[in-house]
Amino acid sequence: QKEVEQNSGPLSVPEGAIASLNCTYSDRGSQSFFWYRQYSGKSPELIMFIYSNGDKEDGRFTAQLNKASQYVSLLIRDSQPSDSATYLCAAINFGNEKLTFGTGTRLTIIP
Amino acid sequence: DVKVTQSSRYLVKRTGEKVFLECVQDMDHENMFWYRQDPGLGLRLIYFSYDVKMKEKGDIPEGYSVSREKKERFSLILESASTNQTSMYLCASSLVENNEQFFGPGTRLTVL
Repeated sequence: QKEVEQNSGPLSVPEGAIASLNCTYSDRGSQSFFWYRQYSGKSPELIMFIYSNGDKEDGRFTAQLNKASQYVSLLIRDSQPSDSATYLCAAINFGNEKLTFGTGTRLTIIP
Repeated sequence: DVKVTQSSRYLVKRTGEKVFLECVQDMDHENMFWYRQDPGLGLRLIYFSYDVKMKEKGDIPEGYSVSREKKERFSLILESASTNQTSMYLCASSLVENNEQFFGPGTRLTVL
């Protein structure tokens, strides 16, 4: 079992709709969670992080964390074609200081 | 803005060659990391470093070594390149206190 799991997609969402990206993790010691966006041929860039249960909003992006269910999600409101990318979920256990990445979900926004 | 730079965007080497990949960050970050990224396997950690002259093995250190002689510079060394080391190599850096990693542009290495 992978430590951080994501559906590889592709996930297709119409422009203007809400895109929902999901991630589960197996290490209960994981304490912070990160969402990265990676355009084709480019390196990952950090979108946001979350470490408390509940929701965290930043513009059109909302991260959600449920530690009891070991589940993290990223919602993108009013999806734009420029949101088309691969989204990587990552978790860190401060005991070993390493970020563990999922394999990513490829998102396509359809105009 | 944090800037992480890598010495080459594309590199082609022959089997058995010694390969150096260099990474430099300009934000005085303590932590630096080397990953490789392969289709279907995602990002895998090769080595990381908390401080000058310190290094820790990641998940796939075999066939690699690293050097950190200065805080801003972290080098990845392939002692004898093999075809299964053909990959995208990504360097990242972060502060100790927040673990937000910033990535360099990547080096696509092809070993023939």
